[in-house]
Amino acid sequence: NAGVTQTPKFRVLKTGQSMTLLCAQDMNHEYMYWYRQDPGMGLRLIHYSVGEGTTAKGEVPDGYNVSRLKKQNFLLGLESAAPSQTSVYFCASSYSTPRVTTGELFFGEGSRLTVL
Amino acid sequence: AQSVTQPDIHITVSEGASLELRCNYSYGATPYLFWYVQSPGQGLQLLLKYFSGDTLVQGIKGFEAEFKRSQSSFNLRKPSVHWSDAAEYFCAGSMDSNYQLIWGAGTKLIIKP
Repeated sequence: NAGVTQTPKFRVLKTGQSMTLLCAQDMNHEYMYWYRQDPGMGLRLIHYSVGEGTTAKGEVPDGYNVSRLKKQNFLLGLESAAPSQTSVYFCASSYSTPRVTTGELFFGEGSRLTVL
Repeated sequence: AQSVTQPDIHITVSEGASLELRCNYSYGATPYLFWYVQSPGQGLQLLLKYFSGDTLVQGIKGFEAEFKRSQSSFNLRKPSVHWSDAAEYFCAGSMDSNYQLIWGAGTKLIIKP
């Protein structure tokens, strides 16, 4: 049972390069999220999706774009990477909104991105 | 402002000792509250949640948490910790947004043998 899978797990970029992180879930969840985790700051929501073909901005969306063309996949793109985007990125999915009992978030193992 | 605060960055306890991790929230009403655990190199896993009703909630792995409205707190407890409990613990709250959780900064639990 794969759950939530993120690729790649590690990546080093130079400033200005672009890249895409892929998140795939096999639980048929409607909701998907991209978070970044920085030391001492907890998790911050970048973008989220409430269903196939939909995306919305979270707390820290600047410098990132997302797409949800298929229900099981949620892509996070960095068009022009900056050192401030060095972070650990987590994808999560849930069956429904976190405000109901079926809204538990299931997380991937994270993708560590370093921008030089 | 809406916020979730975990006052302790690190906590060290001996194996077999009791544990309490603190979480405080700032919100004008009662939020939905969660505790998640992150083992080294892993994603986060839900330990327990509070929506309403009984203020003492039971979770997985022997953890429990108590919601105290008067103190705006949702502290996580375990009567006897095991070395496998060494991890980082995050408190989170759902307040105005249906989708966005507000996360504390995390508390790293270190277990002394």
